[in-house]
Amino acid sequence: DAKTTQPNSMESNEEEPVHLPCNHSTISGTDYIHWYRQLPSQGPEYVIHGLTSNVNNRMASLAIAEDRKSSTLILHRATLRDAAVYYCILRDYNNAGNMLTFGGGTRLMVKP
Amino acid sequence: DGGITQSPKYLFRKEGQNVTLSCEQNLNHDAMYWYRQDPGQGLRLIYYSQIVNDFQKGDIAEGYSVSREKKESFPLTVTSAQKNPTAFYLCAVQRGFGVNTEAFFGQGTRLTVV
Repeated sequence: DAKTTQPNSMESNEEEPVHLPCNHSTISGTDYIHWYRQLPSQGPEYVIHGLTSNVNNRMASLAIAEDRKSSTLILHRATLRDAAVYYCILRDYNNAGNMLTFGGGTRLMVKP
Repeated sequence: DGGITQSPKYLFRKEGQNVTLSCEQNLNHDAMYWYRQDPGQGLRLIYYSQIVNDFQKGDIAEGYSVSREKKESFPLTVTSAQKNPTAFYLCAVQRGFGVNTEAFFGQGTRLTVV
C-alpha cells in the first residue's frame, strides 16, 4: 500500500489559517486521499477527501498537487477546538477491504 | 458517532480472562471495522466485516475474535491469548465498499488489564 508522510506536530495561533502537509510520493492512480482527525480520547472523525481536484467543505479545504504526490489540508481559521491529531490516509479503489490504514498523523496545537 | 454505540466506555479485565466489547450501529451500513490504538500511536486494524456472517482478519488479529450475526452488531472478543490487551479499541462503520465514502467511528472502549 502507498504510504504517507506527515510532520509529527505543528503549532498554530487561534483564528489564523493552518496548512497541514502530507507527502505520498508512491500514490497510485486509484488512491483517494482522505483526511481524518482525532480529538483527545475520542474516535477519529472524517474531515475531507479527494482524488485529483481540490475540494472544499464546511470543515476544511483539500489542495492536491498536480502530480498528486502531495496534498495539503487547509483549516481556514483555526479554533481551539481544532487541536487534534490529523491523519492523511490513502484509500485504494482496488482494496477489497476498503479499510483505513492510519499512520502517526500530525498533532496540531492551537495557541490562544 | 451519531448512530454507533460502543460499550462499555471503560473496561477492566483480569489476566487470563476473555472479555467482549460491544459495537452497535443504527446507520444500516454494511461494513464494520475494529481498530486498536496504543498511547501516542495511530490506529491498527484488527478485524473487518463487509457483510453479515463474513469477516476478515486485519493486521493484528491474533488473540482476538469477532462475529457478525446481525448487520447492526459486530462484537469483539479479546481472548486470554492476546498478550498485551491494554489499549483503546475503536469500532468504525462505512456505508458501502467503495473508498469514495467516509467512515464513522464510535467513541471507543478503553480496556485495562489489572
